[in-house]
Amino acid sequence: DGGITQSPKYLFRKEGQNVTLSCEQNLNHDAMYWYRQDPGQGLRLIYYSQIVNDFQKGDIAEGYSVSREKKESFPLTVTSAQKNPTAFYICASSRQVSSYEQYFGPGTRLTVT
Amino acid sequence: AQSVSQHNHHVILSEAASLELGCNYSYGGTVNLFWYVQYPGQHLQLLLKYFSGDPLVKGIKGFEAEFIKSKFSFNLRKPSVQWSDTAEYFCAVNDRGATNKLIFGTGTLLAVQP
Repeated sequence: DGGITQSPKYLFRKEGQNVTLSCEQNLNHDAMYWYRQDPGQGLRLIYYSQIVNDFQKGDIAEGYSVSREKKESFPLTVTSAQKNPTAFYICASSRQVSSYEQYFGPGTRLTVT
Repeated sequence: AQSVSQHNHHVILSEAASLELGCNYSYGGTVNLFWYVQYPGQHLQLLLKYFSGDPLVKGIKGFEAEFIKSKFSFNLRKPSVQWSDTAEYFCAVNDRGATNKLIFGTGTLLAVQP
């Protein structure tokens, strides 16, 4: 089955530690996205990548970093600089720049204490 | 900047009641419009989308939405809800630009009572 895989489903970290969330897709999509979901705030875009080795900041990129070394992978690092890292993180992908439908992964719930 | 407003944050209905969830966006150009649904414990799924053509769009599970350009609205409707429609519903817009960025509303949590 084609789709987007995010692991783990739940992640716990101590404050001050960096943590990397994985996102893998086997849909052969060019574009990938990271969103953050908080209660009552919908989804907000953190970073996106339209092609391998290229990515752009979204609306709330501060305290996050990404890489796109392979087409199928788009890991997100939540750094210690992110002031409120506890949230639900969702990865998405779309076929091409000209394709507007995004497909979403199951998400990772990160808790930082 | 673009924004999307969903005025109903929490809706409670009985089974067989009719549903209408409001969605308004602010953007003067041509847009694509989406409704996504997130069932409890599941990932976001596309309910329906509007790109062009007939402004009345039919989606999965009996949902439909009407694009009214003059009102910048894309309201979601269903004539008769079921308990299984309990979920969070998100309206989203993008501006057909090169970035393909989606702007989401804050979501509406629908609870359907049996």
